[in-house]
Amino acid sequence: KAGVTQTPRYLIKTRGQQVTLSCSPISGHRSVSWYQQTPGQGLQFLFEYFSETQRNKGNFPGRFSGRQFSNSRSEMNVSTLELGDSALYLCASRDSTNTGELFFGEGSRLTVL
Amino acid sequence: DQQVKQNSPSLSVQEGRISILNCDYTNSMFDYFLWYKKYPAEGPTFLISISSIKDKNEDGRFTVFLNKSAKHLSLHIVPSQPGDSAVYFCAASAGGSQGNLIFGKGTKLSVKP
Repeated sequence: KAGVTQTPRYLIKTRGQQVTLSCSPISGHRSVSWYQQTPGQGLQFLFEYFSETQRNKGNFPGRFSGRQFSNSRSEMNVSTLELGDSALYLCASRDSTNTGELFFGEGSRLTVL
Repeated sequence: DQQVKQNSPSLSVQEGRISILNCDYTNSMFDYFLWYKKYPAEGPTFLISISSIKDKNEDGRFTVFLNKSAKHLSLHIVPSQPGDSAVYFCAASAGGSQGNLIFGKGTKLSVKP
């Protein structure tokens, strides 16, 4: 089985721009979660989607949004980028068994200049 | 407000000795706990989990201990190997194995040969 795939792996944007990141979960996984990783804050939960519906949401401003498609692929969007949005954005998927294990992608490294 | 705390940013251990990584939590609703390991330039990978109905779970060299009254869990690695050098994240969920995971900031473990 292919793992969680995130694109692009690296990108550079300037303040005020917007960015869209993409995530393809493991085949058969219907839940996709997004996390932001920064050196000082560790992994912070952004949101989780399940069957095209947002199931959980973290404490991020409305500039951060996401969606999930019928094939479980997910995108997250950040509008009006700020310098502090520079981070590694990680996508994770899981199935509906009871292990709770999240399978992470390698992340998209966003740098905002 | 950090609900999951890993108070040691780093830990250095000699190869063959025991590594003990600690994690404290504040939310008494957490009922499922996991440890993830992360190498540079890779996404986190699942290591071991424990439900709140247990106080210990073991998998090979890795054992997780849960002390609910103290709201504390720890990960023991015995014996430690140089390949264990990575950042270890503690995570907790209030919705069982399918709740969204709240992560700590991580502890960087260095195992010296």
